[in-house]
Amino acid sequence: ETGVTQTPRHLVMGMTNKKSLKCEQHLGHNAMYWYKQSAKKPLELMFVYNFKEQTENNSVPSRFSPECPNSSHLFLHLHTLQPEDSALYLCASSQDGSGGPVDTQYFGPGTRLTVL
Amino acid sequence: AQSVTQLGSHVSVSEGALVLLRCNYSSSVPPYLFWYVQYPNQGLQLLLKYTSAATLVKGINGFEAEFKKSETSFHLTKPSAHMSDAAEYFCAVSDSFGGNEKLTFGTGTRLTIIP
Repeated sequence: ETGVTQTPRHLVMGMTNKKSLKCEQHLGHNAMYWYKQSAKKPLELMFVYNFKEQTENNSVPSRFSPECPNSSHLFLHLHTLQPEDSALYLCASSQDGSGGPVDTQYFGPGTRLTVL
Repeated sequence: AQSVTQLGSHVSVSEGALVLLRCNYSSSVPPYLFWYVQYPNQGLQLLLKYTSAATLVKGINGFEAEFKKSETSFHLTKPSAHMSDAAEYFCAVSDSFGGNEKLTFGTGTRLTIIP
């Protein structure tokens, strides 16, 4: 596998279900991100992890719970979601270039989530 | 606060014609600017980025963008459109220098190529 992978690619869940999205990066990066992409809205940054530590939580509801066990893996745990949470969830990674030029974020293909 | 405005949510051009996708930014500090492309059912792929070096930036697939500070613009161009260019294009701005940049994206422009 190369780049950034995400599983599953498609997920349909009810409002009472609990599910998890998985992201894995094979680029040797140490920063990972979750974004939400909804129709007709800009991409919204949800969470940022740097060296496994959460450095950003962009006012995301608690029904979304991220987990970063190591610098290569990132999870998004979902519970009691609402229909308006239906969207494409994108994972990205970058190499922390502290003090240097801004680092490019590399994106996975996304998980298309539908909440019924 | 930084922001990005993409003029035109849909742009259609004929195959072989010039592609021009507009992006204007607002940033309180010198910006870093990006163009990403998203093909159907795929994630975002970096086309090019401006990081305060040359103002004319060349990217992949024949695309380029010019940073114009006086106009606060970073428009994306390609001299001759190809059918494979049909996709959604996102402009983004970052205000950090190193570390975890926080990207602010525009709403995207869907490019359609007419045969």
